[in-house]
Amino acid sequence: GDSVTQMEGPVTLSEEAFLTINCTYTATGYPSLFWYVQYPGEGLQLLLKATKADDKGSNKGFEATYRKETTSFHLEKGSVQVSDSAVYFCALRPGGGNKLTFGTGTQLKVEL
Amino acid sequence: DTAVSQTPKYLVTQMGNDKSIKCEQNLGHDTMYWYKQDSKKFLKIMFSYNNKELIINETVPNRFSPKSPDKAHLNLHINSLELGDSAVYFCASSQDGEGRNQPQHFGDGTRLSIL
Repeated sequence: GDSVTQMEGPVTLSEEAFLTINCTYTATGYPSLFWYVQYPGEGLQLLLKATKADDKGSNKGFEATYRKETTSFHLEKGSVQVSDSAVYFCALRPGGGNKLTFGTGTQLKVEL
Repeated sequence: DTAVSQTPKYLVTQMGNDKSIKCEQNLGHDTMYWYKQDSKKFLKIMFSYNNKELIINETVPNRFSPKSPDKAHLNLHINSLELGDSAVYFCASSQDGEGRNQPQHFGDGTRLSIL
């Protein structure tokens, strides 16, 4: 079945550091890929998405590129802020299906 | 505001009780979902309804029964609550159709604690 693997956290960075959160997936066909963010005490918010190979999703300075050859969708940001502290979830939705499969989430802590 | 809204936000109750969580979306979406997030933040889908019809039913105890009176509402009723039911439950919705890459929009969650 479909699965998503994320790097384990917590990830602790200093403000303005470069961020990478790795995400790889296993799926048949051509899934759509998503990153969701969950701030403390809140629900999940869509951060960015990519629907086909080589697509780059971007939002709020975050980027991720859909790499079919490596089945990856790594999240990056050039300069993190304290306000980026949250849990980040990578997810996939199979082509022709409704079900979202989530990774285990990666907690990011950004310190001054 | 356009959103997915869940009530209550917090629910503390005794083991063995029956409780319901309500969810409403005013986004005009035709598909709604319930997810369970455990203490380690792991998210797992429980149910999905499309136009009031059940389309996803993961391995969930029969004590959990979703009910969709119309496509804007998906309520979750839980019978005989157990300690292991303590979690955060998220409702979500999306627009289905030919473009099946539409993202899901989530509510803020209901934090269920069983004493």
